[in-house]
Amino acid sequence: DSGVTQTPKHLITATGQRVTLRCSPRSGDLSVYWYQQSLDQGLQFLIQYYNGEERAKGNILERFSAQQFPDLHSELNLSSLELGDSALYFCASSVAGQYYGYTFGSGTRLTVV
Amino acid sequence: DAKTTQPPSMDCAEGRAANLPCNHSTISGNEYMYWYRQIHSQGPQYIIHGLKNNETNEMASLIITEDRKSSTLILPHATLRDTAVYYCIDPFSGNTPLVFGKGTRLSVIA
Repeated sequence: DSGVTQTPKHLITATGQRVTLRCSPRSGDLSVYWYQQSLDQGLQFLIQYYNGEERAKGNILERFSAQQFPDLHSELNLSSLELGDSALYFCASSVAGQYYGYTFGSGTRLTVV
Repeated sequence: DAKTTQPPSMDCAEGRAANLPCNHSTISGNEYMYWYRQIHSQGPQYIIHGLKNNETNEMASLIITEDRKSSTLILPHATLRDTAVYYCIDPFSGNTPLVFGKGTRLSVIA
């Protein structure tokens, strides 16, 4: 157990639907990062939050959004889902600025049918 | 884009040392190098990081050339559980998140 909790572990949904992925960071970590990993792509950085505020944005689609709540858990919302959104979605947490402190969760496997 | 170059794949016999090279010719003087690995479908795991001195921890050793343009991650006695994709990462700056390249797929063979 890495200390980063992601739920659900698996999700199957239809095209056009909307889903929410949840991440609870490791205790004491203020930063949360979301990554997407498709079969034919590497790990793609999506977005970072630090203590409730958006800190950095990567290749995140407009159909995707995220937020970090006062208790520091984060949610990634994916809407108008397409087949190509099928992927593993990882959440990581860290004390901001410490690259060696990235702790990843076990991921949510999203399948869009 | 990742600023490092790694071979796409390598094989290593179980029990032997695995030496994973990484070129980072554009690294600046105050940037650390970070190594992570990802075992199949699991979240990436931090291994080690270094600036200019060689580093060792319970997982691996990191050998950095004097000019800092390349480094080698060494797993001294590779096991089957070390089969994974290994990422050498040169962060862009102190405040941007880690960007993962394609890494090296290490296969440890019995």
